[in-house]
Amino acid sequence: GAVVSQHPSWVICKSGTSVKIECRSLDFQATTMFWYRQFPKQSLMLMATSNEGSKATYEQGVEKDKFLINHASLTLSTLTVTSAHPEDSSFYICSDMGQGSTYGYTFGSGTRLTVV
Amino acid sequence: GQQLNQSPQSMFIQEGEDVSMNCTSSSIFNTWLWYKQDPGEGPVLLIALYKAGELTSNGRLTAQFGITRKDSFLNISASIPSDVGIYFCAGQLKDYKLSFGAGTTVTVRA
Repeated sequence: GAVVSQHPSWVICKSGTSVKIECRSLDFQATTMFWYRQFPKQSLMLMATSNEGSKATYEQGVEKDKFLINHASLTLSTLTVTSAHPEDSSFYICSDMGQGSTYGYTFGSGTRLTVV
Repeated sequence: GQQLNQSPQSMFIQEGEDVSMNCTSSSIFNTWLWYKQDPGEGPVLLIALYKAGELTSNGRLTAQFGITRKDSFLNISASIPSDVGIYFCAGQLKDYKLSFGAGTTVTVRA
């Protein structure tokens, strides 16, 4: 099956700094990837759709200037949390969009962001 | 996003018991997916359902896509300790986005 690698698995940063999270598709070309946010004991909430070679599309209520998404190649999408604040602390997860006839999206292992 | 109602919110299992959970929605979905998430990890796909009425098994797991495409259930037979975790249903919309249920937390009964 598809393999999606996410890095780092956890990061602690100071308030006001920026953090970049990488999501790589290891065995196929991903023209579209998705970014989610998950608070403790809650479900996954879609933040944005990352499109290779074009601008990301953001869900309602998600600040595009706060959460910068870059999808410059078919195997890498990045999410940068800019000027992070403690309320940005969360679990961030990426996924592919499935491939071929299998639409069982593959998720990365997630990144635990803690802003202090 | 589209609202998926997942129940139960939590359940306790004893090894060997059968487990059942379901999701309903007021909206029609093209595809239903069932995932399991362990603490600190991303969700892992268990079963994908593509056709209304489809019944699919994956080992001890069985899931069905409702005939109206607005609901689905997941059954786990003869549960084992490693079945603990959080199970999510997810519905795929036409734009390939996924909408997730709130999750069912399965824990072992002491």
